[in-house]
Amino acid sequence: EPEVTQTPSHQVTQMGQEVILRCVPISNHLYFYWYRQILGQKVEFLVSFYNNEISEKSEIFDDQFSVERPDGSNFTLKIRSTKLEDSAMYFCASGRGNTGELFFGEGSRLTVL
Amino acid sequence: SQQGEEDPQALSIQEGENATMNCSYKTSINNLQWYRQNSGRGLVHLILIRSNEREKHSGRLRVTLDTSKKSSSLLITASRAADTASYFCATPGSSNTGKLIFGQGTTLQVKP
Repeated sequence: EPEVTQTPSHQVTQMGQEVILRCVPISNHLYFYWYRQILGQKVEFLVSFYNNEISEKSEIFDDQFSVERPDGSNFTLKIRSTKLEDSAMYFCASGRGNTGELFFGEGSRLTVL
Repeated sequence: SQQGEEDPQALSIQEGENATMNCSYKTSINNLQWYRQNSGRGLVHLILIRSNEREKHSGRLRVTLDTSKKSSSLLITASRAADTASYFCATPGSSNTGKLIFGQGTTLQVKP
C-alpha cells in the first residue's frame, strides 16, 4: 500500500533556528498539503501545493514558512526562524485530485526550545 | 468559516456498545469526510459521503449526512478497544485546491 512518509519523526530545535521538514507524497498524487496540530488541538491547514506552486495558504503560513518540491518526489516545509509557538505536529498530505480523500503521513513533531 | 464542529468532544463507552459522533458545518459542501487519528499518529481516511447521499456504510461504520441541517453523524457499531482514537469530520474549503477543513474532533475511549 503506497503511503506518505515524513522525516524526521521528531526534531528539537532552538528558537530562531531554521527547520526543514521533509515529506515524500504518494507517487502518482498531484496535490500536496501541509497541516499542523498543536498538542490537543485541531488539525490546521497551512498550505496547498499544485503544479509546482502554492495554490492556497492560510494566515498561519507567513513569511517564515516556505514549501518546495525540489526533485519531483520530495515535498519540504521550511520554517526560517522558529518560534516557541511553532512547536506542533506537522503533517504532510497528498491527494490524487482536488476533491476526495487525503492521505496523511505520520507527522513530524517539532519542539522549539 | 466552513469548519466542521464535532460533538461530543469526548466519549467513553464499553466494548460492544455503539458510539455516535456528530458534526455540524456552516456552508454548502459537495462532500464530507471522516478521519480517524490514533494518539500521536497521522490521520486515516475512513469514509467520504457526497452531498447527494444520505447514508453510507463501511464495515462497522455508518455515516449520515443531512444537508438541510448541515450536519453529519458517524456511528461505530459494536465498538472494540482498538476503536479508541480521535475522530474528525472534514469539509472541503471554498477554493478549488482540495484542502480540507477539520473540526475539533471527538475523542473516543472504548473500555475493554
